[in-house]
Amino acid sequence: EVQILETGGGLVKPGGSLRLSCATSGFNFNDYFMHWVRQAPGNGLEWVAEVRNKNNNYATYYAASVKGRFTISRDDSKSSVYLQVSSLRAEDTAIYYCTRPLYYYDGSLAYWGQGTLVTVSS
Amino acid sequence: DIRMTQSPASLSASLGETVNIECLASEDIYSDLAWYQQKPGKSPQLLIYNANSLQNGVPSRFSGSGSGTQYSLKINSLQSEDVATYFCQQYNNYPYTFGAGTKLELK
Repeated sequence: EVQILETGGGLVKPGGSLRLSCATSGFNFNDYFMHWVRQAPGNGLEWVAEVRNKNNNYATYYAASVKGRFTISRDDSKSSVYLQVSSLRAEDTAIYYCTRPLYYYDGSLAYWGQGTLVTVSS
Repeated sequence: DIRMTQSPASLSASLGETVNIECLASEDIYSDLAWYQQKPGKSPQLLIYNANSLQNGVPSRFSGSGSGTQYSLKINSLQSEDVATYFCQQYNNYPYTFGAGTKLELK
């Protein structure tokens, strides 16, 4: 069974940083591209970032709203993906979901964690 | 960025009714389109991928169709457990983008 568990959220002041972690199990993590998606309270979904697999040189892609401030990375030895969030703004307040696509290269997001809440407030 | 225009924003329907939700992409997305269901306080769940493929375990009353820039999600014989918010998402081009959502309620 595929399992995804995000941790690391919390309350942070504007300009601050956090490192979100996503631990996975139940599938061959090394093969899959992995994504982060966020959802501001009461709002819709926003794709944040993707990290590809080793065969694709761990290439990364970002939403324009976070590029230069957020960094996605992965540790295949730990079946984990990370999102370093920096220079945080009030509009970054959201639940951050770690997701796995249906097929390793796919963009349809078949598995989601329960999310971790990041609140940016002074 | 590809803009995904979803309609309606909210919808009220009766049990047993058929419901349609539309998604219009700002450019051709070549059927790289997914539909998700999200219930309050829960994570989204994939319903449909590649515009018309039903994800494993999803009831057959859900179906997707469309091509090019126009896509739709159909729910036949609405059940009480279908009350949720539905989102479309394109994955043809980066950044992946979602529709604003359709909140489905029971009449």
